[in-house]
Amino acid sequence: DTGVSQNPRHKITKRGQNVTFRCDPISEHNRLYWYRQTLGQGPEFLTYFQNEAQLEKSRLLSDRFSAERPKGSFSTLEIQRTEQGDSAMYLCASSIRTGGTGELFFGEGSRLTVL
Amino acid sequence: ELKVEQNPLFLSMQEGKNYTIYCNYSTTSDRLYWYRQDPGKSLESLFVLLSNGAVKQEGRLMASLDTKARLSTLHITAAVHDLSATYFCAVDRPSVGDDKIIFGKGTRLHILP
Repeated sequence: DTGVSQNPRHKITKRGQNVTFRCDPISEHNRLYWYRQTLGQGPEFLTYFQNEAQLEKSRLLSDRFSAERPKGSFSTLEIQRTEQGDSAMYLCASSIRTGGTGELFFGEGSRLTVL
Repeated sequence: ELKVEQNPLFLSMQEGKNYTIYCNYSTTSDRLYWYRQDPGKSLESLFVLLSNGAVKQEGRLMASLDTKARLSTLHITAAVHDLSATYFCAVDRPSVGDDKIIFGKGTRLHILP
């Protein structure tokens, strides 16, 4: 297993378009997290899953954002009707729920630029 | 609401010097994490601290946790240029059913040769 994988690594889109990011976690990890990071800031929590169940979604998150993890393996994060303020790095991380320390293993991120 | 504050947010220091980064959090938490991020890269786990008084060391970095004070420190001993990076602390509270991990804003460390 090579770790958490995210794609695309970079996405440039025009305002109003929809974008989707994919995350493949470490195979034995049942927890999957999405974060957003802007320049000079820490990762901002968006949502997380245990297996296929979405356990929490940030109340700061617009309804334009939706995430799925249909079979408890990979996850997708979709942003509809993108705005310039959505430009950020979107980070995915995974961890082991039971018997683990909760330590997150991050992917390389997907950078979104909205023109 | 769980909040995490780090200070300083930016630190420039000379090689060979010692310094400490502080991480305060707002409510009782179960676990505290330290991560490192190099420019343009993702986050790399450094330490996980699970109990009051926990201390972990790796090379020139040492992390400690005081749950009563809601404080963790990351101490750098005899800094070297390779330690230049942004360091984040983060916490969660699984004992109260809150597994989301909240991060601080980070401390950007610049070590001058």
